[in-house]
Amino acid sequence: NAGVTQTPKFQVLKTGQSMTLQCAQDMNHNSMYWYRQDPGMGLRLIYYSASEGTTDKGEVPNGYNVSRLNKREFSLRLESAAPSQTSVYFCASTRSMNTEAFFGQGTRLTVV
Amino acid sequence: DAKTTQPNSMESNEEEPVHLPCNHSTISGTDYIHWYRQLPSQGPEYVIHGLTSNVNNRMASLAIAEDRKSSTLILHRATLRDAAVYYCILSARGSSNTGKLIFGQGTTLQVKP
Repeated sequence: NAGVTQTPKFQVLKTGQSMTLQCAQDMNHNSMYWYRQDPGMGLRLIYYSASEGTTDKGEVPNGYNVSRLNKREFSLRLESAAPSQTSVYFCASTRSMNTEAFFGQGTRLTVV
Repeated sequence: DAKTTQPNSMESNEEEPVHLPCNHSTISGTDYIHWYRQLPSQGPEYVIHGLTSNVNNRMASLAIAEDRKSSTLILHRATLRDAAVYYCILSARGSSNTGKLIFGQGTTLQVKP
């Protein structure tokens, strides 16, 4: 099992460009999450999806949109990238509430 | 969402036990206590979680105070591979009844040979 797979692993964008970060899980989990981690900081929740077809805002949703494409895939879109969005982005999934969360290896995004 | 407070850093010697404390005085009755760790350049990794009773697994033990306002993660024999940032997290019931994890700053554990 691959677990949680994120693509790409690295990306450099110019200010104002758009891009979509992809996340897929092969564990048949119901819930999926997007976090960002700035240098020396803990993770902050951007958006989450409790189940296919639902999404909710987390702590820092501004500047992002998400799509729960199906049960496996949860994408994060930056419509107009800003330098403040330079960060490492982690996707995670859980089977249900209060069960173990599995994280991807992260996408390192730099906006110049 | 209820908050947790952890020391910024701790040191331990290899092969000795480590006790990582966490305060969560505003915990609600439905909040689970989760511990995750993050090794350098990796995503967080699940360690353990519990509600009221102490919990043990192959990685660690979780001791929860009777009033649930604090907890301690216990690594029984620290190894160099245990050097990581350890996060104590309370799962918050979201609007969709999902236990979203809200991370704090965590404790950076250094293990000395």
